[in-house]
Amino acid sequence: DSGVTQTPKHLITATGQRVTLRCSPRSGDLSVYWYQQSLDQGLQFLIQYYNGEERAKGNILERFSAQQFPDLHSELNLSSLELGDSALYFCASSVVQGPHNEQFFGPGTRLTVL
Amino acid sequence: AQKVTQAQTEISVVEKEDVTLDCVYETRDTTYYLFWYKQPPSGELVFLIRRNSFDEQNEISGRYSWNFQKSTSSFNFTITASQVVDSAVYFCALSLDMEYGNKLVFGAGTILRVKS
Repeated sequence: DSGVTQTPKHLITATGQRVTLRCSPRSGDLSVYWYQQSLDQGLQFLIQYYNGEERAKGNILERFSAQQFPDLHSELNLSSLELGDSALYFCASSVVQGPHNEQFFGPGTRLTVL
Repeated sequence: AQKVTQAQTEISVVEKEDVTLDCVYETRDTTYYLFWYKQPPSGELVFLIRRNSFDEQNEISGRYSWNFQKSTSSFNFTITASQVVDSAVYFCALSLDMEYGNKLVFGAGTILRVKS
């Protein structure tokens, strides 16, 4: 158990809908990362927050947004969902930011868009 | 380009065999960090090791060992005396500094199947 929690574990929804994925980092970790794992794209970095501020962005679609709250939990919002958004979404956290830090991953949220 | 290549898509071995998973990386940075993660069938990503670019010492942890060679831009992972529980997808990743943050760039992963 990495100490990172994600809810829900599974989510099934329809095209055009909006969903929110939630992540609680390990106690004391200030940095949160979101990654998407799909069969065609593999594991892709989406976005990073550090102590409430956005710090780095990957190939995140405009339909997706995220935020990190004062209690350091983070939410990833996905809207106008398409079939291709079906994937496993991981949240990871690290103590501080910086490429030397290990990122500890949560169990993921499996999103299925029908 | 900054990327990670894991050329072996899938490897099957019989229990107790040794197996090496290859990882080749490309980066223009002089200081960088490499990671290995394991994704068992349950789906979570488990951190295995971190290596920085200025430490070329090989590392051994139990049945696991890692060989980092800057000259060939490789960071290979060997499991000695493999066990069925080692069956998983293994990812090599390069940690990159971005302007105000950082991210992991993953290889495509190698599926390891260990048969009894």
